Amino acid sequence: DSGVTQTPKHLITATGQRVTLRCSPRSGDLSVYWYQQSLDQGLQFLIQYYNGEERAKGNILERFSAQQFPDLHSELNLSSLELGDSALYFCASSVVNSNTEAFFGQGTRLTVV
Amino acid sequence: GEDVEQSLFLSVREGDSSVINCTYTDSSSTYLYWYKQEPGAGLQLLTYIFSNMDMKQDQRLTVLLNKKDKHLSLRIADTQTGDSAIYFCAESRFNQAGTALIFGKGTTLSVSS
Repeated sequence: DSGVTQTPKHLITATGQRVTLRCSPRSGDLSVYWYQQSLDQGLQFLIQYYNGEERAKGNILERFSAQQFPDLHSELNLSSLELGDSALYFCASSVVNSNTEAFFGQGTRLTVV
Repeated sequence: GEDVEQSLFLSVREGDSSVINCTYTDSSSTYLYWYKQEPGAGLQLLTYIFSNMDMKQDQRLTVLLNKKDKHLSLRIADTQTGDSAIYFCAESRFNQAGTALIFGKGTTLSVSS
């Protein structure tokens, strides 16, 4: 158990809908990272937050957004969902604003039908 | 190119050594990582190496880094069936907005008894 909690574990939704994925980082970790894992694209970095502020942005679509709240949990919002958004979404956390020793959650498997 | 490259599959017999290779792209990467993903699970950080090191050993794991060729390898000694998993190489990339982990597509290690 990495200490990073993601909910829900599985999500099935229809095209055009909007979903919110939630991540609780390890106790004491200030940085949260979101990744998308799909068969064709592999593991893609989406976005990073550090202590509530956005710090790095990767291949995140405009239809996607994220935020980190004062209690340090983070949410990834995916809207106008398309079939191609079906993937495993991982959250990771680390202590400092660095990727050293980032710990990953179990992921949320999103299926868009 | 901009990708972190890994071979997709490796098959070994139990007790043999496994060597998983990776080439990365950013010569300024400070840290390079190896992660393990078991079926249905998140990513587990196995080990990482600081860019000013050539080698790091951690029990059965040996990481070799060739900065000139931007080549990273992970050697698993006395490979066990429990080592069967997908292994991801990753580099840290810095930009004005922060840092991101860039992953390879993963090498599926299959260990037969």
